[in-house]
Amino acid sequence: SQKIEQNSEALNIQEGKTATLTCNYTNYSPAYLQWYRQDPGRGPVFLLLIRENEKEKRKERLKVTFDTTLKQSLFHITASQPADSATYLCAREEGADKLIFGTGTRLQVFP
Amino acid sequence: DAGVIQSPRHEVTEMGQEVTLRCKPISGHNSLFWYRQTMMRGLELLIYFNNNVPIDDSGMPEDRFSAKMPNASFSTLKIQPSEPRDSAVYFCASSRQGGTGELFFGEGSRLTVL
Repeated sequence: SQKIEQNSEALNIQEGKTATLTCNYTNYSPAYLQWYRQDPGRGPVFLLLIRENEKEKRKERLKVTFDTTLKQSLFHITASQPADSATYLCAREEGADKLIFGTGTRLQVFP
Repeated sequence: DAGVIQSPRHEVTEMGQEVTLRCKPISGHNSLFWYRQTMMRGLELLIYFNNNVPIDDSGMPEDRFSAKMPNASFSTLKIQPSEPRDSAVYFCASSRQGGTGELFFGEGSRLTVL
C-alpha cells in the first residue's frame, strides 16, 4: 500500500526553539503534500500545501520542505510557543481526489 | 460561513443498534469526505463524493457501513448493525477542489458502541 509515515512519538521542545516534524512516504510519489493541525476534540485544520516542484513554502513562523529524492517533507515551527502544542498531520494526494493522512505527531511546547 | 456541521457530536449506543451520522458541507464545495479516526489507525478515509456522486468507497470497512449524499448540502453515514469496534471519531470534510485543495473538517462525531 502507499504509506505515509510520521513519527508516532511525541516531540517535546522548549519555548522559543524550532520544532521540526518529519513526514515520509513510500512508493507512490505524490504531486503535493498538505499539513494540518489538530487540537484535542477538534477537527484538523489546514496549514500549508506544498507541490512537488516547490522545494520550500513559508507561512509566518511555519516552513515546509519537500524532498522528492528522500521522499520526505519536513515541517518547521520557528520560535515555538506553548500555543503551538497540538498534533500535526501530514497528508498526501492519491489519484485525482483522495487525500490520505499520516497518523500525526504530537508536539508539546513547554515554557 | 458556519463551516462543516456534523451531528450528533457524541453518540453512545449498544451493539446491534443502527447509527446515523449527519454532515452539512460548506455551501459551494463540491467534494465531501468521510473519515474515521482512532488512536491505533489514525485518520482513515472511508468514502468521498464529488458533486453528490460517490467516487471511491474502498475505505468503507464492511457492508454494515453505507453513505449517501442526496443533495449538495447533506450527507449521512450509516452503520447497521453497529459493533464495539466501530467506536471512533467520525469526521466529515468538504472542499472546492476534491483532494487537491484544502479540506475543511467538521468537529467530528464521537461514537461509542457498548
